[in-house]
Amino acid sequence: TQLLEQSPQFLSIQEGENLTVYCNSSSVFSSLQWYRQEPGEGPVLLVTVVTGGEVKKLKRLTFQFGDARKDSSLHITAAQPGDTGLYLCADAGGTSYGKLTFGQGTILTVHP
Amino acid sequence: GAGVSQSPSNKVTEKGKDVELRCDPISGHTALYWYRQRLGQGLEFLIYFQGNSAPDKSGLPSDRFSAERTGESVSTLTIQRTQQEDSAVYLCASSLAGLRAQHFGDGTRLSIL
Repeated sequence: TQLLEQSPQFLSIQEGENLTVYCNSSSVFSSLQWYRQEPGEGPVLLVTVVTGGEVKKLKRLTFQFGDARKDSSLHITAAQPGDTGLYLCADAGGTSYGKLTFGQGTILTVHP
Repeated sequence: GAGVSQSPSNKVTEKGKDVELRCDPISGHTALYWYRQRLGQGLEFLIYFQGNSAPDKSGLPSDRFSAERTGESVSTLTIQRTQQEDSAVYLCASSLAGLRAQHFGDGTRLSIL
């Protein structure tokens, strides 16, 4: 059974600071997805990465996929209060459809 | 356009009662998923429907849990004889096909007293 570990579990920072959160897998990812979930809402897909070493940017968010496809990081530059939420990584591995395996998430709080 | 709709948004019930949760997927989405999210945790896969194929029920935690879907429309998740450990947010997602991006509803927060 694949296990996804995310770190840190909690992160509390001030507006304008930079941060990085991590996702590590016990086995090679099939494809890695990052989601953000705000309180009372469902997760929203931010990005999908497939190729080892891949880097994707989404405005102030930079996603990196490890060369060995077993780890990933999400870096946020100049965090804003609107970035507050639960950040989840997920893998759709081992099946012919998108059954997702999730990490436990990183709870990010950005204070004004 | 409408997203994935779940009802009720909140449900409080007594231990031992049965509950039924409803999910309306995005129109035209053939794939539908149910997940469970315990407080402060990631999502656990429960069940997957794809068109008229047999559902993948491998994530259902016990035989108290069941789900149905008629064609490519509404799905219901039923929990019989609820236990306190069933307290969680139950999330539904749909996608155009199995490997396409999943769109989540806002979930049903279930509390068992």
